[in-house]
Amino acid sequence: RKEVEQDPGPFNVPEGATVAFNCTYSNSASQSFFWYRQDCRKEPKLLMSVYSSGNEDGRFTAQLNRASQYISLLIRDSKLSDSATYLCVVNIDTGTASKLTFGTGTRLQVTL
Amino acid sequence: NAGVTQTPKFQVLKTGQSMTLQCAQDMNHEYMSWYRQDPGMGLRLIHYSVGAGITDQGEVPNGYNVSRSTTEDFPLRLLSAAPSQTSVYFCASSRAGGPGNTIYFGEGSWLTVV
Repeated sequence: RKEVEQDPGPFNVPEGATVAFNCTYSNSASQSFFWYRQDCRKEPKLLMSVYSSGNEDGRFTAQLNRASQYISLLIRDSKLSDSATYLCVVNIDTGTASKLTFGTGTRLQVTL
Repeated sequence: NAGVTQTPKFQVLKTGQSMTLQCAQDMNHEYMSWYRQDPGMGLRLIHYSVGAGITDQGEVPNGYNVSRSTTEDFPLRLLSAAPSQTSVYFCASSRAGGPGNTIYFGEGSWLTVV
């Protein structure tokens, strides 16, 4: 089983739709969680961290469920510019360094 | 406003050749790392460094060497290129390796080994 699993998609949604992605992680010692966005042939960029109580940044909401070991990303009122691959990232602090594990990404295509 | 700079952006190598991917950051970050990204595999850590003079292996270190003589630079050396090393390589840096620190990536280096 992969340490971090995501549905690769693609998720094809019309502009204005709400879309949600889930990500599951296997290591219960995972301590912090992030969503990164990666545009085609570009580098990943931090979208948002995921906090235990859930957090929101504009149209984006991230949730963490430690009991079930998954995180989610909800995008409301999708825009064409949201089209990208969304990477789930899980961190374990080993004491000497952090071990970041990346999911393979979920591709989102927002259409007119 | 350079951030993390990687060169070259594209490279084609013949099997057995060696080369160095350059990475430099101007944010005075202690932590630097190299990842490779392959279809269906996600980003995988090759080597990382927590400061000048200190390097360590990541998940897929075989066939690669690194050094960290300065805080700014973290080159990745392919010793004898193999087709399995065809990939996109990203250099990254952060203030420290802790969970709260944003990781900044370079723009990537597309490497093809024929």
